[in-house]
Amino acid sequence: RKEVEQDPGPFNVPEGATVAFNCTYSNSASQSFFWYRQDCRKEPKLLMSVYSSGNEDGRFTAQLNRASQYISLLIRDSKLSDSATYLCVVRNDKIIFGKGTRLHILP
Amino acid sequence: GAGVSQSPSNKVTEKGKDVELRCDPISGHTALYWYRQSLGQGLEFLIYFQGNSAPDKSGLPSDRFSAERTGGSVSTLTIQRTQQEDSAVYLCASSPGSPAGELFFGEGSRLTVL
Repeated sequence: RKEVEQDPGPFNVPEGATVAFNCTYSNSASQSFFWYRQDCRKEPKLLMSVYSSGNEDGRFTAQLNRASQYISLLIRDSKLSDSATYLCVVRNDKIIFGKGTRLHILP
Repeated sequence: GAGVSQSPSNKVTEKGKDVELRCDPISGHTALYWYRQSLGQGLEFLIYFQGNSAPDKSGLPSDRFSAERTGGSVSTLTIQRTQQEDSAVYLCASSPGSPAGELFFGEGSRLTVL
């Protein structure tokens, strides 16, 4: 099992729809979890941290399920500008990036 | 600016030449990472520096790759005898070093080996 796994997509979603991604991780001792966003030919940037109690930032909601070892990202009322690759990041004694899920928001 | 700075932003070299890529992290950040990203692929971990500890070199793909970090600040990634498969974007990131610390990335150095 890979350390961090994501569905590569692409997810093609109409503008205004809700979309959700999951990411699974293999190391149960992982301490910290993040979602990063990477635009085409740009560097990754932090979208949000993922807390045990779940957290929300505007249209974005992140959740952690330690028992099943996955994190999720929900995007509501999607915008064209949400089109990007979303990287799941898991931190234990090192920082591991998933390969990313590509999202295309369609007008 | 106060962000992570990488140079050169673009480097084209001939197969067999050596290249050096530089990363200037955010001041005060104790952790520094190098990643490699080939076109359309995910981030591949290369090496990690944390303070004065021995670096984690477990991601370096061959002994042609080496990195150092001088004075706990600037880092240089050196690739000797470059091969075409070394062509990629090399990303540097720094972090405050705490367990929950965010990684801040530079814009990357795009290496093309002809």
